[in-house]
Amino acid sequence: AQRVTQPEKLLSVFKGAPVELKCNYSYSGSPELFWYVQYSRQRLQLLLRHISRESIKGFTADLNKGETSFHLKKPFAQEEDSAMYYCALSAVTSGSRLTFGEGTQLTVNP
Amino acid sequence: GAVVSQHPSWVICKSGTSVKIECRSLDFQATTMFWYRQFPKQSLMLMATSNEGSKATYEQGVEKDKFLINHASLTLSTLTVTSAHPEDSSFYICSARARGGRNTGELFFGEGSRLTVL
Repeated sequence: AQRVTQPEKLLSVFKGAPVELKCNYSYSGSPELFWYVQYSRQRLQLLLRHISRESIKGFTADLNKGETSFHLKKPFAQEEDSAMYYCALSAVTSGSRLTFGEGTQLTVNP
Repeated sequence: GAVVSQHPSWVICKSGTSVKIECRSLDFQATTMFWYRQFPKQSLMLMATSNEGSKATYEQGVEKDKFLINHASLTLSTLTVTSAHPEDSSFYICSARARGGRNTGELFFGEGSRLTVL
């Protein structure tokens, strides 16, 4: 069975501070890991995927198979980063079926 | 980018009635659509996978006779909540994978439909 855990429901930081949103997963096979973001009153959208190994809006995430983690990081948070962030997992063979974590509401204070 | 539209965005109905929610891919063909349910302050729970021209695949614990899914064309999937009850009140979200999309990075989400059953 697949499971994604985001231990923090709420996270609050000040503008310019580093931010890390934690994500741990359990899955016995080869997972694909994603971060989705939902800004206020907007639809869910893909932020980044682990296989892309890219930085989007200053955010990066590294898949750590040993720790089964996929934490999302940004060195200097901005107010516009305030949103709901969901970590999600898809089994390579699952045909895009996503298992979502509970989500972390990030608030970046001025 | 690709757009997925859901309609209605908000619906209130009486207990015992049926409600249909549409999910359309506006500028691409979607061979596969997914229906999720989200309770307040909780995560998205996958309900079913809808493939064009075939029966939907339901996740464990989801009643297929309660939540009827039809994917009649490459741009439209519908979710019908039959004999709705107050516990069916929730936020329903669809996502669509573009035809020819090789990976989950090409999933696009609708804006969601909020159902309130009185």
